[in-house]
Amino acid sequence: RKEVEQDPGPFNVPEGATVAFNCTYSNSASQSFFWYRQDCRKEPKLLMSVYSSGNEDGRFTAQLNRASQYISLLIRDSKLSDSATYLCAVIGPFSGGYNKLIFGAGTRLAVHP
Amino acid sequence: GAVVSQHPSRVICKSGTSVKIECRSLDFQATTMFWYRQFPKQSLMLMATSNEGSKATYEQGVEKDKFLINHASLTLSTLTVTSAHPEDSSFYICSARDRGGPEAFFGQGTRLTVV
Repeated sequence: RKEVEQDPGPFNVPEGATVAFNCTYSNSASQSFFWYRQDCRKEPKLLMSVYSSGNEDGRFTAQLNRASQYISLLIRDSKLSDSATYLCAVIGPFSGGYNKLIFGAGTRLAVHP
Repeated sequence: GAVVSQHPSRVICKSGTSVKIECRSLDFQATTMFWYRQFPKQSLMLMATSNEGSKATYEQGVEKDKFLINHASLTLSTLTVTSAHPEDSSFYICSARDRGGPEAFFGQGTRLTVV
């Protein structure tokens, strides 16, 4: 099983749509969780951290479910500028026993007019 | 957010030569540095993790003698690709964390082409 697994996508949605991405992680001892955004041929940019209580930043809402080892990202009222690849990332003691920042494969979002 | 500066952004080198990539944290102390490689249309693959003043810990399948990582100070880490070959052509990105928080911030990445 992969350490961090993510919806493969791609997601093609019209402007204004609501879209949700999901991600699961294998190690229950994982400590920190994030969503990053990566534009084509650029470095990832931190979108938001994810907490058990859930957190919201404008149109973006992230949730963490520790029992199911699952994190999600909801984007409301999609804009053309939201088109990018969204990567979930987890810090935890994966193979090797030390804390590592591991990424999911990424989900491509394309928002069209 | 914190700023991580990575250089060079793009490099073309001949097969058999070595290339050094630098990653600097500009406004925080990078106690941990992660180095990744990303092939086209693929995800970020962790190569190694280094803590300041310690030897890097490499992921399975990553040759430590080929990808030399130095993290001698709290603001600078380097990755040297030794005896580069065309199959080493990829996008290399560093990411840094400090003691204060869990978030990791990325450098701009280095696009390496070995000809």
